[in-house]
Parts: sequence; C-alpha cells; structure tokens
Amino acid sequence: EVQLVESGGGLVQPGGSLRLSCADSGFRFGSFWMTWVRQAPGKGLEWVATIKQDGREKSYVDSVKGRFAISRDNAEKSVFLQMNSLRVEDTAVYYCARDVEGYYGMDVWGQGTTVTVSS
Amino acid sequence: DIQMTQSPSSLSASVGDRVTITCRASQSISNYLNWYQQKPGKAPKLLIYAASSVQTGVPSRFSGSGSGTDFTLTISSLQPEDFATYFCQQSYSTLYTFGQGTKLEI
Repeated sequence: EVQLVESGGGLVQPGGSLRLSCADSGFRFGSFWMTWVRQAPGKGLEWVATIKQDGREKSYVDSVKGRFAISRDNAEKSVFLQMNSLRVEDTAVYYCARDVEGYYGMDVWGQGTTVTVSS
Repeated sequence: DIQMTQSPSSLSASVGDRVTITCRASQSISNYLNWYQQKPGKAPKLLIYAASSVQTGVPSRFSGSGSGTDFTLTISSLQPEDFATYFCQQSYSTLYTFGQGTKLEI
C-alpha cells in the first residue's frame, strides 16, 4: 500500500523559513506528479504547487511564487516544499498528494503537517 | 485563473436521501473535474476523477456527471459515513483550483 508521510511543519515567525518533506513508502514514485495542497484553519483546500516526474516542470499558485520552491528526489522517493519569507496567511495544514497527471486526480494523500506562522 | 463555484455551501439531509452537489467552472474545462470527500481532521479522499469515473474502492452510490462548465456529484442513498465536506477541483489548467466546499450535515 502506498503511503505518504509529511514532516517538517512547526511554528515559525513571519519572514522565517521551513522545509517540508513528504516521503513515499510505496514504489514507482518517479512515475507520478506530486502536489502540495494546504488548508488554513476552518477554510477550504488550496492548491500550492505541483512538480512533474523529472522535476523540471513546476507550477505554483500566485500567492507563493518567488517564496516557495517545490523539488523532488526520485531516488529517495521524496518531495519537498521549501518555504521562505513566510507570512501569517501561510498558516495551514500542508498535505502532499500523489497526482495522477491531473486528469486522474490526486489519489493518495499524506496525513498533513501543520505550519503556524506567528510572532 | 479558473474559478470553481460549488453549491450549496452546506446541505442538511437524512440517511437514505439522494443528494446532489453542483460545481460550476468559470470557463470550459472539458471533463477535467475531480471530486474529493474530507472528514474532520483527515486528509481529502478522491471519489471521482475525470468528471464521472469512480475511483477504485469508492461505493457505487457515488456518481459524477457533467462536461464543459457544469458538473454534479450525486450520492444516491446517503449513509452515515457520508456526512463530510465535499470539494470539486479542476485540473484542466496546471494552476489547479478547488471549489469552496459543500458541508453535508445530518
């Protein structure tokens, strides 16, 4: 069974940085796109970023462009989200998800990791 | 960006009811539309992909339809475990967007 496990969340001051990790315990990790989605407290889901199989194609929601960077290590079966210049409004639970090339949806999700940006 | 609008935002129903949730896209997205279920404190779960294909393991009481800009998620006979929040999501653009969610309550 494929499982995704996120880590790296925590409390950080505005302007600070965090690096989230998501490890895949299954196989064929390198065959899938990977996506980060976040959910602010009491709010809906917001797509954050997606990276394709070879790591060269990436896309971001406008609100994080230039501050966040998605990357992956297929040998380590992991995807990362480097978050810089964090803002209070970045506070959320961050989920990683296996993305079956968009059309087939995000079919496996991690349990989420909480990021709190506060002074 | 493509905007996704769900209705209603909340819905009260009873076990055994048939319920329909709608999702409208701000432009045509063909059938690049997915539906997710989320329960409190849990990660979302994929129910329907490509507008009408039921994900493996999802009960057959869940169905999806639509194309272009208008889509529906139907639960044919509500079960107690179906009370949750439902989100639509477009994947036509690589800049994904979700609907605001529909909370299904008893």
